Amino acid sequence: GAVVSQHPSWVICKSGTSVKIECRSLDFQATTMFWYRQFPKQSLMLMATSNEGSKATYEQGVEKDKFLINHASLTLSTLTVTSAHPEDSSFYICSARILAGGETQYFGPGTRLLVL
Amino acid sequence: RKEVEQDPGPFNVPEGATVAFNCTYSNSASQSFFWYRQDCRKEPKLLMSVYSSGNEDGRFTAQLNRASQYISLLIRDSKLSDSATYLCVVNRQSNYQLIWGAGTKLIIKP
Repeated sequence: GAVVSQHPSWVICKSGTSVKIECRSLDFQATTMFWYRQFPKQSLMLMATSNEGSKATYEQGVEKDKFLINHASLTLSTLTVTSAHPEDSSFYICSARILAGGETQYFGPGTRLLVL
Repeated sequence: RKEVEQDPGPFNVPEGATVAFNCTYSNSASQSFFWYRQDCRKEPKLLMSVYSSGNEDGRFTAQLNRASQYISLLIRDSKLSDSATYLCVVNRQSNYQLIWGAGTKLIIKP
């Protein structure tokens, strides 16, 4: 089956630092990757939709300059949380849609971010 | 109003019982519907897609009611391993974006 990896799986950082999270599709090409955030006991919230080679589309209320997304290849998308603050602590999950694969999304294992 | 609404639960159910959840969605133009399962501190995993005619996969049955804009999931002969949060997911129809309910927590007790 399609496998999506995320790195790192967890990170603890000081307030004000930037954190980069990688999302890779290991055995398929992903036209589109999605970035979600999930706070405890809440639903997954779509942050942005990332298409290879073009700018990401951000959901309302998500700051583009705060959450930088790069999708330079069909197998890699990165999310950089710039100048992270404690309120950015969350579970960040990416998913990837297979090229010509319909609506099925394959999820990465998630990255837990704790900002002190 | 949220785009996808679910009863957060928790539903405490004895092992072997049958349990059902509903989910309502607001966008009448939605075409695709899914149930995902999420275990604590893990990523969500697709449980089943929901088709207009209803569909069954082993102990799990999903139904779609377009007129009332709700989706249901029925679990028969529940197992301890069914304990998880069940997420109702609806597509937004543009760029394959999925909209997620907050999830219904299910606890199966021995």
